[in-house]
Amino acid sequence: AQSVSQHNHHVILSEAASLELGCNYSYGGTVNLFWYVQYPGQHLQLLLKYFSGDPLVKGIKGFEAEFIKSKFSFNLRKPSVQWSDTAEYFCAVNPSGGYNKLIFGAGTRLAVHP
Amino acid sequence: GAGVSQSPSNKVTEKGKDVELRCDPISGHTALYWYRQSLGQGLEFLIYFQGNSAPDKSGLPSDRFSAERTGGSVSTLTIQRTQQEDSAVYLCASSLGGTGNTEAFFGQGTRLTVV
Repeated sequence: AQSVSQHNHHVILSEAASLELGCNYSYGGTVNLFWYVQYPGQHLQLLLKYFSGDPLVKGIKGFEAEFIKSKFSFNLRKPSVQWSDTAEYFCAVNPSGGYNKLIFGAGTRLAVHP
Repeated sequence: GAGVSQSPSNKVTEKGKDVELRCDPISGHTALYWYRQSLGQGLEFLIYFQGNSAPDKSGLPSDRFSAERTGGSVSTLTIQRTQQEDSAVYLCASSLGGTGNTEAFFGQGTRLTVV
């Protein structure tokens, strides 16, 4: 069965620190990849997505993610976090080329201290 | 409407009662998902509808859970004989579906509390 693993469940950083959140998936075929963010008290919203093309994807608020096919990974990065980045981050995978469900990782709760 | 709408936003029910949760997807979206979000448990897939295809029910935790989607639009998630462990936020999402654009848009969720 397809699965998504997020290695860090809780991350605590100080402002201006760099961020990298790991995401690995298990599926051998072509995939669509997503990072969603849930700010406190708000609904899930898309941060960035990869369908094809350049494996380095840039999203909103200075976030980026790199798809490394050989490692089945889609790690999220931000060079310098802000207090407002405090949120829960979810990686999601959907096998492309067919009608398939979107599978989410368990999420990573990020707390940024001023 | 402009986004995915879920109702009610909050529901408190007594153990053993049935509940119905409603989701209005974005107009034109053929794919609809239900997820459950429990504290510390991430997003648990429940069920997936895609057009006229048979729904993928592989995530429903027990036969007390069922969902339907009428006319390819509105969906209702029903939980029968609710238990305390059913307490969670139930999220609905929709997407254009198909083989290309599978970006999902989420509703605000229904917070279910079983007492």
